[in-house]
Amino acid sequence: QQNVQQSPESLIVPEGARTSLNCTFSDSASQYFWWYRQHSGKAPKALMSIFSNGEKEEGRFTIHLNKASLHFSLHIRDSQPSDSALYLCAVGASGGNYKPTFGKGTSLVVHP
Amino acid sequence: EAAVTQSPRNKVAVTGGKVTLSCNQTNNHNNMYWYRQDTGHGLRLIHYSYGAGSTEKGDIPDGYKASRPSQENFSLILELATPSQTSVYFCASGDQTDEQYFGPGTRLTVL
Repeated sequence: QQNVQQSPESLIVPEGARTSLNCTFSDSASQYFWWYRQHSGKAPKALMSIFSNGEKEEGRFTIHLNKASLHFSLHIRDSQPSDSALYLCAVGASGGNYKPTFGKGTSLVVHP
Repeated sequence: EAAVTQSPRNKVAVTGGKVTLSCNQTNNHNNMYWYRQDTGHGLRLIHYSYGAGSTEKGDIPDGYKASRPSQENFSLILELATPSQTSVYFCASGDQTDEQYFGPGTRLTVL
């Protein structure tokens, strides 16, 4: 069974900082990697995904994936107070029935 | 924008009672999922479905049943609710490996 771990559990950073969130997984056959963001009291919403080794950038957000290390990460450049939320990583494998496994989340607070 | 709705949004139930949580999606997605979210546990998958008439057990199915009578609707049923099932429940829909679209959540309290 897939084991997905996130670190750190919580993070407090000043506005403008570069923030890094980490996710490790156990199944080397995993192929689909997502980051979701959940603001307090709201539903999770997909932020970014990556499906092959390397890096992907969208605005202030960058994902790195290293399948050999069973690790992917989310980096936020110029963090804003509006980025304060719970960040959830999700990992899925192809073939058969698709059911992603979520990590427990990293709680990010960006203070002005 | 994909739309997923849940009802009720809040529910208080008594121990031993039956609870039904409903989910509707208008995006024609094949896959639908039920999760519960508790502090310190993230999102845990209870049941999921790949189309009308199908249900599959997720990672924590004990004490829950699911029903998918149509492409649009997916229900989660607690036949004998217990206080340990107090949680926030999210329904989601998606197409295979595409992103999941989540409903607003149902806050369930079992007394």
